[in-house]
Amino acid sequence: QQQVKQSPQSLIVQKGGISIINCAYENTAFDYFPWYQQFPGKGPALLIAIRPDVSEKKEGRFTISFNKSAKQFSLHIMDSQPGDSATYFCAASIGSGNTGKLIFGQGTTLQVKP
Amino acid sequence: GAVVSQHPSRVICKSGTSVKIECRSLDFQATTMFWYRQFPKKSLMLMATSNEGSKATYEQGVEKDKFLINHASLTLSTLTVTSAHPEDSSFYICSASPRRGGRTQYFGPGTRLLVL
Repeated sequence: QQQVKQSPQSLIVQKGGISIINCAYENTAFDYFPWYQQFPGKGPALLIAIRPDVSEKKEGRFTISFNKSAKQFSLHIMDSQPGDSATYFCAASIGSGNTGKLIFGQGTTLQVKP
Repeated sequence: GAVVSQHPSRVICKSGTSVKIECRSLDFQATTMFWYRQFPKKSLMLMATSNEGSKATYEQGVEKDKFLINHASLTLSTLTVTSAHPEDSSFYICSASPRRGGRTQYFGPGTRLLVL
């Protein structure tokens, strides 16, 4: 019940295309859903996050779509660029204040071809 | 803003020795810091949650006596890997939540530990 399932494991997209990564969860108590981007040998960097009272959130080329009834959320990267090539992790959190721990998905390795 | 640093970035040690990794929030106060472990091409596994001034809360399966965590101040947490063995070799990453930042976690750059 604490798992977050992420797919696909890897993704290859042409430059300018749309990259879509999906995540699903079981625990309806999760109330915070961030996406992180990680380059090899580096720590994850927060991209964008959403709470379940919102169905969509957009920041630049990155959009989170959230479907509360289906317990699914996805990351869309518009106009994908070679510099977006990285590993992306979705996560879910439950808890009060800033003590909520993150449960991470398995990760998606994105390769954007020039 | 919201920068988290880790030191050292890489460390090689002999089996049986102890290694200390520092995690600092540089421009904010962090009531809560988290320690993760990541194996190659794998996801992040939470090891423990530490709150300033109190004992860390360890995840199931993580040895408290092996991985000592100290959260000495609102900007510093340390992870000490005691009596390290080759199977402890991994990428260790910390994160910190700003005092008034809600659920946001900012991650450090990670520390690569190799135990020979």
